[in-house]
Amino acid sequence: GENVEQHPSTLSVQEGDSAVIKCTYSDSASNYFPWYKQELGKRPQLIIDIRSNVGEKKDQRIAVTLNKTAKHFSLHITETQPEDSAVYFCAASMTQTGANNLFFGTGTRLTVIP
Amino acid sequence: NAGVMQNPRHLVRRRGQEARLRCSPMKGHSHVYWYRQLPEEGLKFMVYLQKENIIDESGMPKERFSAEFPKEGPSILRIQQVVRGDSAAYFCASSPRTSGALNEQFFGPGTRLTVL
Repeated sequence: GENVEQHPSTLSVQEGDSAVIKCTYSDSASNYFPWYKQELGKRPQLIIDIRSNVGEKKDQRIAVTLNKTAKHFSLHITETQPEDSAVYFCAASMTQTGANNLFFGTGTRLTVIP
Repeated sequence: NAGVMQNPRHLVRRRGQEARLRCSPMKGHSHVYWYRQLPEEGLKFMVYLQKENIIDESGMPKERFSAEFPKEGPSILRIQQVVRGDSAAYFCASSPRTSGALNEQFFGPGTRLTVL
């Protein structure tokens, strides 16, 4: 099955700096890669996703890049703000199987220091 | 447009009792997924259902756990004879039917199960 690894497990940045979280996946059949943000005690919320037919996607301060050859994808948050503090999860899924379930990374706890 | 709903939000059970967790998908969504999250860990896939069908239960423990998504009503995750190791947050997610958006999963608030 698919195996998703995520690094780092914790990340502290000063407000206004950028944060980068990296994930790798094992199954080349995976073709959908969402990122979720989870605040303490809350539900995971989809913040951005990318499909395997594109290499980069951007939404305001958030961007995701995908390297299919190397099987890794990254989340970039620019101009970080204290409200960005949360746990971020990457995930991978393969639609070809019809199952569509998500394989999650182990999470990155991001702390933005005011 | 109500999001994914789960109840109860918190559930306390003693060892050996049964736990029933309910999930109502977003309106228009016919695909339901259940995930388990242990404290300080990521989410682990358990089961994927469509109405009246279990599509993939490869992440579900073979014993004590079952899931259903009947034609009418919410999806139910049932844990029989609970043990302390079952204590976790159980999240349900739903996705729409159209193939283009099939993968986008929206999560409910979760049910936090505590087994005493």
